[in-house]
Amino acid sequence: QSALTQPPSASGSPGQSVTISCTGTSSDVGGYKYVSWYQHHPGKAPKLMIFEVNKRPSGVPDRFSGSKSGNTASLTVSGLQAEDEADYYCSSHAGSNNAFVFGTGTKVTVL
Amino acid sequence: QVQLQQWGAGLLKPSETLSLTCAVYGGSFSDRFCSWIRQPPGKGLEWIGEINRSGYINYNPSLKTRVTMSVDTSKNQFSLKLSSVTAADTAIYYCARSPGVWALDIWGQGTMVTVSS
Repeated sequence: QSALTQPPSASGSPGQSVTISCTGTSSDVGGYKYVSWYQHHPGKAPKLMIFEVNKRPSGVPDRFSGSKSGNTASLTVSGLQAEDEADYYCSSHAGSNNAFVFGTGTKVTVL
Repeated sequence: QVQLQQWGAGLLKPSETLSLTCAVYGGSFSDRFCSWIRQPPGKGLEWIGEINRSGYINYNPSLKTRVTMSVDTSKNQFSLKLSSVTAADTAIYYCARSPGVWALDIWGQGTMVTVSS
């Protein structure tokens, strides 16, 4: 099972929006509604930001939103803030033998 | 509030067996799954496998020949063993809870494991 494809980097100024794509196949992203997104600050544990494509866990700001079209999922961060600077990983369920397939990761920089 | 705390040996020699434990505090895990994930230096996340309190196990096909997961329900602990380690297994290893929606909502603090002769 190959990793999902994400752009290596994305950036935006404070207050702007940034969108990160996550491309897979019909065997993972396109085949299930179970896409999740994680924010990872170096030295800390990853944090769940989005699950089931577009649902936010309690406590996650509504500046974070998710969507999916075909084999590509997306995470949008609106109203960028300095603390949003981190690595972001998508993940998808990929069948009975591949509970989680992660994306390659995107480093978001707040300019 | 459920928390995960993990521990294990941080320095191994090639061919040794990696052994990590993840303890659940602050609540029951019920039928949730405990997943193990790793991140090699400078690389992305890789899912290793999952286990629940009933002992249902699912391993990443790329690692399944070397991975063993177990659960001690009396202690509310999950364990990971990875045999015949090489330098390629050097990584930060995390345990995390899956609440049943194929997402990982609670993570342990991570354990850095280095394999070096």
